[in-house]
Amino acid sequence: DQQVKQNSPSLSVQEGRISILNCDYTNSMFDYFLWYKKYPAEGPTFLISISSIKDKNEDGRFTVFLNKSAKHLSLHIVPSQPGDSAVYFCAASVSGGGADGLTFGKGTHLIIQP
Amino acid sequence: ETGVTQTPRHLVMGMTNKKSLKCEQHLGHNAMYWYKQSAKKPLELMFVYSLEERVENNSVPSRFSPECPNSSHLFLHLHTLQPEDSALYLCASSQAHRLAGATGELFFGEGSRLTVL
Repeated sequence: DQQVKQNSPSLSVQEGRISILNCDYTNSMFDYFLWYKKYPAEGPTFLISISSIKDKNEDGRFTVFLNKSAKHLSLHIVPSQPGDSAVYFCAASVSGGGADGLTFGKGTHLIIQP
Repeated sequence: ETGVTQTPRHLVMGMTNKKSLKCEQHLGHNAMYWYKQSAKKPLELMFVYSLEERVENNSVPSRFSPECPNSSHLFLHLHTLQPEDSALYLCASSQAHRLAGATGELFFGEGSRLTVL
């Protein structure tokens, strides 16, 4: 049973608009959440994270929102740019992760259209 | 010099072959990981080494055998694989979580694309 779910395999957004990627989790022990971005033929790269003690974290065009009661987080990208086209993975961990590893979702393929 | 380097980038092997994947990290981390990425599946954690000791196996078949000779190097030895083992194998590193300041962020290599015929 998947503990981290990304229910949208793909998302198409027009350049300049807001991209919203969603992620749900089932394990209430998760207390740290991360988003990774992956281009074809490359490894995933860290994008942004949030601790469970917060409900929002912002870094430039990227904002992650956490709703603990709903066990839901989302990544907002605004404005969306062509270089944002990639697969985005949501990940979660217990107690700050590190040597416990991360639990990943299946990913959402974001396509930014000109 | 990239932080986490994996070789080879591509590998094709028969079911009776023995091969190894190599990973090297230059970030001063003390935890290293092997993940498997199959089509339309989440990244699956295979092995974790923290301070050079294996801390998780995750019920991976014995035809996959990890080796971590030091904190900078990680190997995945492959033996008598099956076609369903074809996937992208990703190595990652991080600070072990018990150290102060560990954020849980993993740094990934570019992956080794394995095809088993």
